[in-house]
Amino acid sequence: AQKVTQAQTEISVVEKEDVTLDCVYETRDTTYYLFWYKQPPSGELVFLIRRNSFDEQNEISGRYSWNFQKSTSSFNFTITASQVVDSAVYFCALSEANSGYSTLTFGKGTMLLVSP
Amino acid sequence: ETGVTQSPTHLIKTRGQQVTLRCSSQSGHNTVSWYQQALGQGPQFIFQYYREEENGRGNFPPRFSGLQFPNYSSELNVNALELDDSALYLCASSLKAPNTGELFFGEGSRLTVL
Repeated sequence: AQKVTQAQTEISVVEKEDVTLDCVYETRDTTYYLFWYKQPPSGELVFLIRRNSFDEQNEISGRYSWNFQKSTSSFNFTITASQVVDSAVYFCALSEANSGYSTLTFGKGTMLLVSP
Repeated sequence: ETGVTQSPTHLIKTRGQQVTLRCSSQSGHNTVSWYQQALGQGPQFIFQYYREEENGRGNFPPRFSGLQFPNYSSELNVNALELDDSALYLCASSLKAPNTGELFFGEGSRLTVL
């Protein structure tokens, strides 16, 4: 069975600090997709990134970067120079290619609080 | 904004009652999924509909049921409400793709069962 673990329940930083959110996953499939979503207080889940299991290249998008390491089954997310608007709950999620339908298994989320 | 709208945004029910939640999918998306998010937890997959038929279901009892309409809007029905059904219910639309999984979520319906 697939599983996603986000060990950090809550992280507090001061604006402009860098912060890394950890994600460890378990799956028996060789083909799968990994995601990060952001959930602001409004409740809507905002898609941030999708990475397939065959692409281990790190990705950078503005202040966001992602580090995917199959050897350790991790898909970590770093925010550089954090801002107050980054405050939200962040979810890591996994989708297996052989499930026959698009469904996501989410971790429990990490609440990020960025103070001025 | 994803274009997925849900109603109502908040509602309160008592144990044993029935509830219907509604979702309007993003234009062009033919698949809708429903997730339950309990407080402090990640969303849990309830079921998915494609072309008006259920084509995937998570570990939820039969009192959770759904419908998808020809215009791809959807309903989630929960019968015999229990206290543990209190949660945020999220609807997500997508193009049918078995594995790519990019889902567009609405803001959810927050259900409180007393």
